[in-house]
Amino acid sequence: EVQLVESGGGLVKPGGSLRLSCAASGFTFSSYSMNWVRQAPGKGLEWVSSISSSSSYIYYADSVKGRFTISRDNAKNSLYLQMNSLRAEDTAVYYCARDLGKYQLLFTLDYWGQGTLVTVSS
Amino acid sequence: EIVLTQSPGTLSLSPGERATLSCRASQSVSSSYLAWYQQKPGQAPRLLIYGASSRATGIPDRFSGSGSGTDFTLTISRLEPEDFAVYYCQQYGSSPPAFGPGTKVDIK
Repeated sequence: EVQLVESGGGLVKPGGSLRLSCAASGFTFSSYSMNWVRQAPGKGLEWVSSISSSSSYIYYADSVKGRFTISRDNAKNSLYLQMNSLRAEDTAVYYCARDLGKYQLLFTLDYWGQGTLVTVSS
Repeated sequence: EIVLTQSPGTLSLSPGERATLSCRASQSVSSSYLAWYQQKPGQAPRLLIYGASSRATGIPDRFSGSGSGTDFTLTISRLEPEDFAVYYCQQYGSSPPAFGPGTKVDIK
């Protein structure tokens, strides 16, 4: 069974940093691209970032480019999102999601974690 | 950048009825790279349809997707109680991938 478990969320002041983690199990992590998607309270879904299976290809939404860094450790079956210079508008539930594409990036999200809440407030 | 519009914003129907949800793109979506997701309150989204018309693993056949170019449709043939939720379309044919604002299907 595919499982994705996010951690690392919490309350942080504007300008602060957080590192989100996503632990994957139930599939060959190193074969799949991975994604982060966020959802502000009561709002819709927003794609944040994607990384290919070997980390060769990385993409970011304009809203986080230069502030967030996606990475992965295939030996640890883990995905990360380093978030710096956080703003109030980054407040959201952050979901880790597996890409439908095996050895390719399709930006189609076939399995999702339950999410971790990031609150940016003074 | 492709912008997606979904209509209606809310659809009020009874169990057993047919639901037709629309997703319109500001530009043509290449290769029909259009997906649909279902989200229930307090839960993560679930992939229903990809490639405009292919059902994801484990999705019942009452869910179907159609369309091409700029106009896409998600149809639920007969609503079950568990189908009342918010539905999002997403295009992934051009960067950045983008979601529509969602259609809420609620019980009439």
